[in-house]
Amino acid sequence: SQTIHQWPATLVQPVGSPLSLECTVEGTSNPNLYWYRQAAGRGLQLLFYSVGIGQISSEVPQNLSASRPQDRQFILSSKKLLLSDSGFYLCIGDLRPRAFFGQGTRLTVV
Amino acid sequence: QKEVEQNSGPLSVPEGAIASLNCTYSDRGSQSFFWYRQYSGKSPELIMSIYSNGDKEDGRFTAQLNKASQYVSLLIRDSQPSDSATYLCAVNEGNQFYFGTGTSLTVIP
Repeated sequence: SQTIHQWPATLVQPVGSPLSLECTVEGTSNPNLYWYRQAAGRGLQLLFYSVGIGQISSEVPQNLSASRPQDRQFILSSKKLLLSDSGFYLCIGDLRPRAFFGQGTRLTVV
Repeated sequence: QKEVEQNSGPLSVPEGAIASLNCTYSDRGSQSFFWYRQYSGKSPELIMSIYSNGDKEDGRFTAQLNKASQYVSLLIRDSQPSDSATYLCAVNEGNQFYFGTGTSLTVIP
């Protein structure tokens, strides 16, 4: 079966520290993958999407970057976190005919 | 600019009533439509998917799609307090999914 694994589930990081969130896919190959952020009380905001290895499209200028080193691996990173980076981060896989969600990461920057 | 619009709510209905959630989308080329339920602090979970015009029923849930009018709706019959959550509408077109901001539903016992 097709699943999205995302970790960690929760993370508390100080301002200025680095960030690495990882997302992996099982049960399919060459999926489109997305990183979304959901700020408190707001909807899902697309951050990055990838249609293949090394192919990253950025939707919103920000303090974050993404990489896709392997077909089934999608990583969200930051060199220096800001307070405004706090939120709920979701990895989503386009596993047609529907989208599958990772469990989400609750990031709190303090 | 592709958009998916939802009334943010909050929508409150009494237990046992029908809850009606609506979503409109801007791209006539959209082919697949989804409703997700998200409990606070949790990841969204798929409730319904619909691909063709008309109604699709699954238990207490009915999805309705009207491509000519570019809207998709979700009806929840016999609403239960456990249905209280945020409901996200998602539209798939081409390479991307587009999400609405969600409608918050509260079912009052």
